[in-house]
Amino acid sequence: AQKVTQAQTEISVVEKEDVTLDCVYETRDTTYYLFWYKQPPSGELVFLIRRNSFDEQNEISGRYSWNFQKSTSSFNFTITASQVVDSAVYFCALSPYGGSQGNLIFGKGTKLSVKP
Amino acid sequence: EPEVTQTPSHQVTQMGQEVILRCVPISNHLYFYWYRQILGQKVEFLVSFYNNEISEKSEIFDDQFSVERPDGSNFTLKIRSTKLEDSAMYFCASSEEGGSLVQYFGPGTRLTVT
Repeated sequence: AQKVTQAQTEISVVEKEDVTLDCVYETRDTTYYLFWYKQPPSGELVFLIRRNSFDEQNEISGRYSWNFQKSTSSFNFTITASQVVDSAVYFCALSPYGGSQGNLIFGKGTKLSVKP
Repeated sequence: EPEVTQTPSHQVTQMGQEVILRCVPISNHLYFYWYRQILGQKVEFLVSFYNNEISEKSEIFDDQFSVERPDGSNFTLKIRSTKLEDSAMYFCASSEEGGSLVQYFGPGTRLTVT
């Protein structure tokens, strides 16, 4: 079975704090993709990053960084020096490669509130 | 920057009525998807569409649902006889290729069934 677990339902931080959003996935596929999407209060889903299962290099993009560890089936997302505009629901998602045309399996999301 | 668009942004309908949700995917994309999100819950896959036919569908996508690409730009989701539990945000997405390349989502249509 394919599954994504985001154990943190809600996180509240004060501006400028660092925060890590956890994501644990389950799959029997050897090739798969992992994603993070952001859903701000306006409701749209904004793509943040995609990672394939063969690329375990961590990635940094500005204040955002991602830590992919196959050994623990985790793909965690860290925001450094959080800002109020980071307040949103963040979804981790999994997609198998090929065959299924890439439908995304989402976690339940983590609601991040950044207070000034 | 190209984006997926959806209309209407909010649709209110009575139980038992038919609704059609419309999407215009990004123009050079080949794969199209519908997802739904019941309020406060996770986003769930409904159906994927490629080359004018359904590629895959979930258990949610039963006989009440259908999809169509009536012309070269629109992609529609029809719900034949709406139920209260169909109330949700419906997202359309498109991607340039299958095989798990990035799916870009539209802003969603909020469907309220009364």
